[in-house]
Amino acid sequence: KQEVTQIPAALSVPEGENLVLNCSFTDSAIYNLQWFRQDPGKGLTSLLLIQSSQREQTSGRLNASLDKSSGRSTLYIAASQPGDSATYLCAVRDGGSQGNLIFGKGTKLSVKP
Amino acid sequence: DGGITQSPKYLFRKEGQNVTLSCEQNLNHDAMYWYRQDPGQGLRLIYYSQIVNDFQKGDIAEGYSVSREKKESFPLTVTSAQKNPTAFYLCASGDRDRAYGYTFGSGTRLTVV
Repeated sequence: KQEVTQIPAALSVPEGENLVLNCSFTDSAIYNLQWFRQDPGKGLTSLLLIQSSQREQTSGRLNASLDKSSGRSTLYIAASQPGDSATYLCAVRDGGSQGNLIFGKGTKLSVKP
Repeated sequence: DGGITQSPKYLFRKEGQNVTLSCEQNLNHDAMYWYRQDPGQGLRLIYYSQIVNDFQKGDIAEGYSVSREKKESFPLTVTSAQKNPTAFYLCASGDRDRAYGYTFGSGTRLTVV
């Protein structure tokens, strides 16, 4: 059964720092991987989607990489800002017949001014 | 603008009462999903539907029911059989071909009073 793990569970950094969030999954047979942001009490906002055939995707200050063979993805945030403070969730689209999204528990990021 | 609308934002349920959470999408997505989010547990799949008039149980379907009479709508009923219904409920939609990511609603917070 696919399992998704995110490390660390929480991270606090000073403003302006570059940072990396990690995501690992146990079964490399995935269709795609999606990174989300969740603000307290809100729904999930999609940040980046990487198809299984891709190595990385970029959007503004965000860059997500995917290494299927090792079961890992990273989300790189450049020049962090206090507005980046949120919980970041990684999810893989399972490669099985149902193809549902399986989530990690998230990394809670706090960027201090 | 296309998106997913969940209502109400907050819902209070008395012991022994059934309540229904609404989820409507205008993204023309075939698939819709209901997740439950509890602190420290991540998102868990309750029910999903890949096509109108068909739905499948997820990992924690006991005490919940759904219907999918229209492509745009996927309401979730929390029945009195659900012993611990207090949680944040999230609805999502996605394409059946799995080429694109999921889109989430803003959530409904259900509290038992």
